[in-house]
Amino acid sequence: AQTVTQSQPEMSVQEAETVTLSCTYDTSESNYYLFWYKQPPSRQMILVIRQEAYKQQNATENRFSVNFQKAAKSFSLKISDSQLGDTAMYFCAFMSVGGSEKLVFGKGTKLTVNP
Amino acid sequence: DAGVIQSPRHEVTEMGQEVTLRCKPISGHNSLFWYRQTMMRGLELLIYFNNNVPIDDSGMPEDRFSAKMPNASFSTLKIQPSEPRDSAVYFCASSGRALRSEQYFGPGTRLTVT
Repeated sequence: AQTVTQSQPEMSVQEAETVTLSCTYDTSESNYYLFWYKQPPSRQMILVIRQEAYKQQNATENRFSVNFQKAAKSFSLKISDSQLGDTAMYFCAFMSVGGSEKLVFGKGTKLTVNP
Repeated sequence: DAGVIQSPRHEVTEMGQEVTLRCKPISGHNSLFWYRQTMMRGLELLIYFNNNVPIDDSGMPEDRFSAKMPNASFSTLKIQPSEPRDSAVYFCASSGRALRSEQYFGPGTRLTVT
């Protein structure tokens, strides 16, 4: 079974600075998807970024980028130019390709952006 | 597009009562997921449907939980009888054929069982 580990329960960053959230996972599969979801206080789950394991290029979405290290089974999220609206819980998630479509989530990292 | 719609947004009930949560997926999506979020266990999949057929119900905690998807635009998650340990936020999500991996979540239903 796949597992996803987020080792940082809480983090904080100053507005306009850069922060990196860590995620590691365990799987025996060679092809899969990895995701970062954001959950603000409204509790809505919002997809931030997606990475396909067979693509070596790291995904980017505006201020959000990932560092995907397949051999190390590591998938970190970098948020540049942090904004107050980035304050939220961030969840790393795993999905198999060709198998079950379910998302396997980490326990989350609570990020606070300070003014 | 209206997004995934869930009702009710909040539900407070007494132990032993039946609870029904409802979900309308995004039009055209063919996969529907029910997740539960608690402080202790985090986010976990309960069940998912593909083309209205249950595919993986390994996360359903016990016989008190049941889920149905009678058509492509509606699903229910029922708990009978409810217990205090069922208190959680229940999310419904859907995904489409074109981009199978991207799941779109509803706003969730916060259930409190007293």
